[in-house]
Amino acid sequence: KAGVTQTPRYLIKTRGQQVTLSCSPISGHRSVSWYQQTPGQGLQFLFEYFSETQRNKGNFPGRFSGRQFSNSRSEMNVSTLELGDSALYLCASSMGQEGGYTFGSGTRLTVV
Amino acid sequence: QKEVEQNSGPLSVPEGAIASLNCTYSDRGSQSFFWYRQYSGKSPELIMSIYSNGDKEDGRFTAQLNKASQYVSLLIRDSQPSDSATYLCAAEFYGNNRLAFGKGNQVVVIP
Repeated sequence: KAGVTQTPRYLIKTRGQQVTLSCSPISGHRSVSWYQQTPGQGLQFLFEYFSETQRNKGNFPGRFSGRQFSNSRSEMNVSTLELGDSALYLCASSMGQEGGYTFGSGTRLTVV
Repeated sequence: QKEVEQNSGPLSVPEGAIASLNCTYSDRGSQSFFWYRQYSGKSPELIMSIYSNGDKEDGRFTAQLNKASQYVSLLIRDSQPSDSATYLCAAEFYGNNRLAFGKGNQVVVIP
């Protein structure tokens, strides 16, 4: 069965631009979470969606937003990019029961 | 206080030895615990999950959970060079639908 698919794999953007990342969860998984991973802060939770509803949000500025579509695919958007937004952005999907979260390969965002 | 803490520095173990990793968490409402393995440049891969006190074994991996002490550990038996990676401890807090991660422990298995 196909895993969690994230696109694109790599992105280079300029400060001030905005970016949209995409995530397709494992078939049947309705929960999609987003995480930011940096060397200094480790893995930090951004937000979680279930059936198109945001159920939880991490401690990130409003420039970070997301949404989930009826087919469970999710997108996250970062507006007015800053150098500090350079990170690996990971999407994880879950069935919502005891079974853990499966991560996608991630999108490596570099802001210059 | 961090939600999930992994305080040990890089761990070097000879091939065939046991690698022991520890993790503590701050929230007694935590219900689910996970160990992820992350190779350099790759995404985290779930290797163990544990939900109740005691030990859980899966192949060469054993996870131990002690909710009274708020402590989770991972043992890797018969360590192989392919086990060289960063190991991330994560906790899911009841009703939060999110994972809180420790900073990770790097394991290096020396042939």
